[in-house]
Amino acid sequence: NAGVTQTPKFQVLKTGQSMTLQCAQDMNHEYMSWYRQDPGMGLRLIHYSVGAGITDQGEVPNGYNVSRSTTEDFPLRLLSAAPSQTSVYFCAAGQNYGYTFGSGTRLTVV
Amino acid sequence: AQSVTQLDSQVPVFEEAPVELRCNYSSSVSVYLFWYVQYPNQGLQLLLKYLSGSTLVKGINGFEAEFNKSQTSFHLRKPSVHISDTAEYFCAVSEGTGGFKTIFGAGTRLFVKA
Repeated sequence: NAGVTQTPKFQVLKTGQSMTLQCAQDMNHEYMSWYRQDPGMGLRLIHYSVGAGITDQGEVPNGYNVSRSTTEDFPLRLLSAAPSQTSVYFCAAGQNYGYTFGSGTRLTVV
Repeated sequence: AQSVTQLDSQVPVFEEAPVELRCNYSSSVSVYLFWYVQYPNQGLQLLLKYLSGSTLVKGINGFEAEFNKSQTSFHLRKPSVHISDTAEYFCAVSEGTGGFKTIFGAGTRLFVKA
């Protein structure tokens, strides 16, 4: 039972490049979210979704896009990467109060 | 909008001693409260949650937390810690039905010494 799968695990981007962080869940959970984790700042919510076709902004949405065409997948797109987006990104899926987290993507923008 | 403040960034403690990790929240409506644990190089794992009912909530690994509405607090406790409890602990709050919009605190690093 995989739970929440994030790919890639590591990525280095140049400033201005675009990329998509992938997130897939096999638990049929309604809710999915993307967080970024930075030292001393905990996890900050980027975007979240309450079901296929429905997304909304979190605390730090600027520079990121999401879509949710299926229950299983919730990709996060960086349109034009900036050094400030260097972080560890976590995807989570949940229902009934409580999330299951993926193992994270460590992104470095140079 | 909801927010979470974890009052200690680091808590060192000796093995078999009790520990309390402090968490305060702010919200204008009823909230749901959570504690998560993150071991090195891993994702987060749910320790326990308060939804309603009894204010004392028991979780995994011997942890418990007490919801105090008047003090807007949700402190995490364990009567006797082990080396394996060394990790980062996050308090979180959600206002949404189902808990879909969950906001996290900055985290408390628990370091258990032999």
